[in-house]
Amino acid sequence: QQQVKQSPQSLIVQKGGISIINCAYENTAFDYFPWYQQFPGKGPALLIAIRPDVSEKKEGRFTISFNKSAKQFSLHIMDSQPGDSATYFCAARSGLTGGGNKLTFGTGTQLKVEL
Amino acid sequence: DVKVTQSSRYLVKRTGEKVFLECVQDMDHENMFWYRQDPGLGLRLIYFSYDVKMKEKGDIPEGYSVSREKKERFSLILESASTNQTSMYLCASSETGPNQPQHFGDGTRLSIL
Repeated sequence: QQQVKQSPQSLIVQKGGISIINCAYENTAFDYFPWYQQFPGKGPALLIAIRPDVSEKKEGRFTISFNKSAKQFSLHIMDSQPGDSATYFCAARSGLTGGGNKLTFGTGTQLKVEL
Repeated sequence: DVKVTQSSRYLVKRTGEKVFLECVQDMDHENMFWYRQDPGLGLRLIYFSYDVKMKEKGDIPEGYSVSREKKERFSLILESASTNQTSMYLCASSETGPNQPQHFGDGTRLSIL
């Protein structure tokens, strides 16, 4: 079963616009929520991450908003640029898994930023 | 910079063959992972290892096995390849400790004919 649900599957945004990708989870044992960015032909790379004891984290143009009661979190990309065109994955880590830092990934969002 | 190297970018094999995918990391990481990536399904964990000779099943281990004889190398084995194992395979590594990022290789696109 899909433990982390991600939407939309694809997204087209105009240059300078705001891109928003949403994720929802059910497992209350999740205690760490990273976002990964993947360019064509490359492996995913960590973009930004948040713990559930904060409601928002911002790094440059990228912001994670976290709603613990709703079990939802989202990635906002401000002033979106063509270079942001990539596939984005949300993920979650369960604090119960012990060693290994095992992550559960969402299904991915393909973002295209048009000029 | 952490480097995770997967031995092949593209691989074509036949049904029933035994297939080995190799992954090497250069940062002395304790944890290593194998995922497969399929459109619309995201990244799904096949197996992971948190120490040499240690392995744990992920979410979709059926039809796969792994080997970790040395800390830097983690191999994924398809015992008898089938067409439904055609996919992109990604290897990753991470340090032990809370919230350590996973570092990914660039993937092996495997086609089973």
